[in-house]
Order: sequence, then structure tokens, then C-alpha cells
Amino acid sequence: QVQLQESGPGLVKPSETLSLTCAVSDGSISNSDYYWGWIRQPPGKGLEWIGHMHDSGSAYFNPSLRSRVTILVDTSKNQFSLRLSSVTAADTAVYYCARHRPDSWGYYYYVMDVWGQGTTVTVSS
Amino acid sequence: SVLTQPPSVSAAPGQKVTISCSGSSSNIETSYVSWYQQLPGTAPKLLIYDNNKRPSGIPDRFSGSKSGTSATLGITGLQTGDEADYYCGTWDNSLTAAVFGGGTQLTVL
Repeated sequence: QVQLQESGPGLVKPSETLSLTCAVSDGSISNSDYYWGWIRQPPGKGLEWIGHMHDSGSAYFNPSLRSRVTILVDTSKNQFSLRLSSVTAADTAVYYCARHRPDSWGYYYYVMDVWGQGTTVTVSS
Repeated sequence: SVLTQPPSVSAAPGQKVTISCSGSSSNIETSYVSWYQQLPGTAPKLLIYDNNKRPSGIPDRFSGSKSGTSATLGITGLQTGDEADYYCGTWDNSLTAAVFGGGTQLTVL
């Protein structure tokens, strides 16, 4: 069973860029059946989808975050990453990486079937 | 949230509970619905996908259904270990983005 593990700084200063990596083990990120993406959860709040990307370069993003988000898939390292620019305290959250598979129609990939354990990021000076 | 869920539900051990998820013609009505269980302090886990399918290892006490712009998660034979937050999720064709409900906290009294 594929496993995902997030890593990155736990503290980021306001206006700087948050950078996280998700390592994929026991499976290949080059598997064309999946997109690879990120979800976050502010303290005491619900889940917010950030975006996802396929190793072909196809990507979709939450419209409210699109202008600040970059997701990259690195097949050579079997990992993918998230960059969120110009962060504020509102970006403080637990960040999860997740594998996304398609629904039965097979067009859009939004079934999040494997999740990382999550990593806490605090935005503070 | 784009999808609407009740903030909390509760029921006694052994009983049945349902959790609703309301959306619109741009999401639930035209896409499939998934449900996720988040136990305290842990990452979410896929519980139901494609409206009513269970991943391997999920007991048949958990079920899902969809009608029009709404979906429902059902849990029978409630156990204290089912206490968790439950989230519905789907694809919004207008936003071209995945969306979640606000989450429902289940308490097993």
C-alpha cells in the first residue's frame, strides 16, 4: 500500500513562502492513474482543498488560493511539493498531502484515497 | 463551505445515525460523493466513494446514498470508536475544484 509523508518547516514568517514536500513510498508517483495534491485544516476548522497535479503537468487549484499556489511533481525523487506564497496568519493549518483517484466516470480526480499523517505549519513572526 | 453539513449529530451505542450533505447542481447533482472519517488527532480516511462504495476494510455498517443535490452517510450499530468528524466531498464543475462540507462531529452517547 502506497504511503505518503509530509515534511517541511513548522514555522513560516508572514509574507514569506511556505514550502512542503510529500514523499511517496511503496508506489510510483509516475502512475498515470492518480493526481497528487494537498489539503489543509486550520486549527479547530474543517478541510480545505488546495489543489492537485498529475505527472503530465495537468493541474487544478482552489480558486481562492490559485494565485499563490504552486504544486510540482518530481518523478526523479518520487515526491511532490507545495509552495504557498505571501502567507499570513490565516494560512496556519495542518497540511495534508493525498493521492487523488478518479470517480467512476474517470474524468476528474477527486477521490482522496491515501493521506499523509499531516504536518503543522504556523505563520508567525 | 460549498457543501452544507450539520455541525453535530449524536446517538446511543448500537443505534443508527445519518449525516446529510447538501450541495447544488454544479457539484453533488453532477458528480459523485465521497465521505471521509477523521478520528481525533488523525488524518482523514476515505470511508465511502462514488456515492455508495466502500474501500476494502470499511465495514458494511457504513453506507452512502445520493439523491439530486444531497447525499447521506449512514452508520448502523454505532460504537464509541465511531466518534469522529465526518466530511463529505465532491467535485464542483463550476469551480473545477474539489470541495468539502464543513464537517459533522459524531458523538456516541
